[in-house]
Amino acid sequence: KAGVTQTPRYLIKTRGQQVTLSCSPISGHRSVSWYQQTPGQGLQFLFEYFSETQRNKGNFPGRFSGRQFSNSRSEMNVSTLELGDSALYLCASSFDRGLTYEQYFGPGTRLTVT
Amino acid sequence: ILNVEQSPQSLHVQEGDSTNFTCSFPSSNFYALHWYRWETAKSPEALFVMTLNGDEKKKGRISATLNTKEGYSYLYIKGSQPEDSATYLCASTLLGNQFYFGTGTSLTVIP
Repeated sequence: KAGVTQTPRYLIKTRGQQVTLSCSPISGHRSVSWYQQTPGQGLQFLFEYFSETQRNKGNFPGRFSGRQFSNSRSEMNVSTLELGDSALYLCASSFDRGLTYEQYFGPGTRLTVT
Repeated sequence: ILNVEQSPQSLHVQEGDSTNFTCSFPSSNFYALHWYRWETAKSPEALFVMTLNGDEKKKGRISATLNTKEGYSYLYIKGSQPEDSATYLCASTLLGNQFYFGTGTSLTVIP
């Protein structure tokens, strides 16, 4: 079974621009979660999508948005980029919530804002 | 927001040493505790998920325990090897809710 894939792997953007990151979950997985990791911080939860609906949302400004398509692929958009948005963005997929609710992570997209 | 804490922040051990780290989490409304191993330039890899107080899980030389009443979990590595070098993350979840990750323990095993 193919793992979680994320594109692009690396990205350099300028302050004020907007960016879209993509995540393809494991086949059959319907839940996709997005996380941000900055130096010294744990993985910070951005949002979770399930069957094209946002189910949970973390404490991030409205510049961060996402969506999920009918094939469970998900995109994350950041508008009006700030220097502090430079981070590793990880997505994780799972079949659904259950007792184990195991999440499988992609390799991440490294975003640098200059 | 759940405050999940891990200690120590980093650790250097000699090859062959055994080691352990701690994950602390709020015990109220606890649902599950996850451990992940994250090697540099790779994706975080799930190690264990535990839900019941007193749970113990083992995978090779790595094991974990869970105390939901006092809100902590230990991860043990027996006879550390250089390939065990990685960041070990724990995450606590509430029922039907998101994962709350700690900042991780960075382990370096010196050959």
